[in-house]
Amino acid sequence: NAGVMQNPRHLVRRRGQEARLRCSPMKGHSHVYWYRQLPEEGLKFMVYLQKENIIDESGMPKERFSAEFPKEGPSILRIQQVVRGDSAAYFCASSPVPDTQYFGPGTRLTVL
Amino acid sequence: GNSVTQMEGPVTLSEEAFLTINCTYTATGYPSLFWYVQYPGEGLQLLLKATKADDKGSNKGFEATYRKETTSFHLEKGSVQVSDSAVYFCALTPSGAGSYQLTFGKGTKLSVIP
Repeated sequence: NAGVMQNPRHLVRRRGQEARLRCSPMKGHSHVYWYRQLPEEGLKFMVYLQKENIIDESGMPKERFSAEFPKEGPSILRIQQVVRGDSAAYFCASSPVPDTQYFGPGTRLTVL
Repeated sequence: GNSVTQMEGPVTLSEEAFLTINCTYTATGYPSLFWYVQYPGEGLQLLLKATKADDKGSNKGFEATYRKETTSFHLEKGSVQVSDSAVYFCALTPSGAGSYQLTFGKGTKLSVIP
């Protein structure tokens, strides 16, 4: 059973560009969570999604950030008009029910 | 709000030494407590968990006991190996509303030298 997959593993963007981060949950998992890890910090919750629904986005910045988890395909975290402060590692996790979360390897975003 | 505080790193130990990484938490009610491990270049892996007071989580020689009276969940291992070198994160999920939201400590980097 493949684990949670994230791509790309590393992403470099210039200020003002868009970043799209993808997450494929483990097979049979319909709950997806996104976390952000800033340098020297722990992971911070961003958003919780089930198929086609956003359940809790209380940790998402109000502007430029959005997330989706369509009926088919991976979950996408989208950051528009990136700024240097968006540079971080973004981790996705999944679970079959709202319980123990299994994490992917992360996407490390660098904004130049 | 909920928070997790764990000891600052980095921690450097010789092989076969005893390991303790302290973790304390602030949360209302009865949170679930976790230790995750992150090996270089990889994602977080669940190491162990405990869901109620006095529970002991254990895995791969690591142990942690849920202490409600001291709001602590310290990680211990009797004899570390070089392969245990990684970053260790203590985390909690609250009881009740938002019970899926993991709150993490900042992580403790462990280096084990031969």
